[in-house]
Amino acid sequence: LAKTTQPISMDSYEGQEVNITCSHNNIATNDYITWYQQFPSQGPRFIIQGYKTKVTNEVASLFIPADRKSSTLSLPRVSLSDTAVYYCLVGDINSGYSTLTFGKGTMLLVSP
Amino acid sequence: KAGVTQTPRYLIKTRGQQVTLSCSPISGHRSVSWYQQTPGQGLQFLFEYFSETQRNKGNFPGRFSGRQFSNSRSEMNVSTLELGDSALYLCASSSRQGSGNTIYFGEGSWLTVV
Repeated sequence: LAKTTQPISMDSYEGQEVNITCSHNNIATNDYITWYQQFPSQGPRFIIQGYKTKVTNEVASLFIPADRKSSTLSLPRVSLSDTAVYYCLVGDINSGYSTLTFGKGTMLLVSP
Repeated sequence: KAGVTQTPRYLIKTRGQQVTLSCSPISGHRSVSWYQQTPGQGLQFLFEYFSETQRNKGNFPGRFSGRQFSNSRSEMNVSTLELGDSALYLCASSSRQGSGNTIYFGEGSWLTVV
């Protein structure tokens, strides 16, 4: 199983770019990397998913190096409403849900 | 398209009682999975159902069980509740088709055991 490690917390200011890195040294060939955002008392919300290289959508970018042993979620120009916990998830549900490994989450605090 | 719907959102139970939580997946999704989230343990996988069959199971005692109906709706049951069962229970759904499937979570059911 791919074990994931994320920073416990990060601080930023409005308008800055935030990069959150997740380490997953023993990621399996079929595993995908998915990032979620969670606000208090709510379920995790899907942000972005990737397998290799770079993926970009309207809210974030995901950078995955060639060895895939880490991934970086990039949030451009954060606002106060981006204050939340961000989770990285590694696994492949087609290989079995037991392969899914959630990180402990990174608490991002955005200040004015 | 409606998201994953979980009911009830909040509930309080007494030790020894049992509880049933309900989940309606995203329309068209046939895979439903359940998770327990606590401050200490984080997100932990409970089990997954696909086409009314349990396909995967996490490392939880037999007091935790579930089922899935023909319309893909799912329920999970916890019997003989313990104080340590207090947690946010999350349901997620997926199409489980193709590679790189994404699981989409509901808002969760907050269970407090007193």
